[in-house]
Amino acid sequence: EPEVTQTPSHQVTQMGQEVILRCVPISNHLYFYWYRQILGQKVEFLVSFYNNEISEKSEIFDDQFSVERPDGSNFTLKIRSTKLEDSAMYFCASRDSVTDTQYFGPGTRLTVL
Amino acid sequence: GQNIDQPTEMTATEGAIVQINCTYQTSGFNGLFWYQQHAGEAPTFLSYNVLDGLEEKGRFSSFLSRSKGYSYLLLKELQMKDSASYLCAVRAFHNNAGNMLTFGGGTRLMVKP
Repeated sequence: EPEVTQTPSHQVTQMGQEVILRCVPISNHLYFYWYRQILGQKVEFLVSFYNNEISEKSEIFDDQFSVERPDGSNFTLKIRSTKLEDSAMYFCASRDSVTDTQYFGPGTRLTVL
Repeated sequence: GQNIDQPTEMTATEGAIVQINCTYQTSGFNGLFWYQQHAGEAPTFLSYNVLDGLEEKGRFSSFLSRSKGYSYLLLKELQMKDSASYLCAVRAFHNNAGNMLTFGGGTRLMVKP
């Protein structure tokens, strides 16, 4: 069964550094998403992406964040200058247009020191 | 904005039935999803309701009443492995874009022998 994959599984970085989180959505899906979950809190929407552009973003997704689909398979989230409060689990998801269901990747745990 | 409420914790016995409720307030409602999340893992899709009524999938069923802003997830024949958090998520139209999900805080279910 096709799955969303994410790398790395765990990223440790220093405050102020740039990080790129990578995702490979399910191959025939067209809509992609990033969510984050701070430890012990709810899953929060960051951004949705369709047809090579952002279709919606939340208040969390400020100028420090960007997304890109650099080739036909990868979907990346970049945080330009990380803050302590960016420490969280970041989930990528892709949506099956037929069933309208979002499938989540295993997540990247980002730790900012 | 959207408001999604579900109980924080529930406990049930192996082999029993448990019902997890979710109430929501949103404009532009476009579907309600239930996900299962084991600690440290990604949300896994369980069920999806967009019309009123009951959807059954094996041991799991989900019910929706749009007029009441209410859904429940019913788990039958509970197994120890069902111990997890159950996330209620609402999708709403936002300028016809994105189809983002807004998650509740999750209900942590503990299944006891």
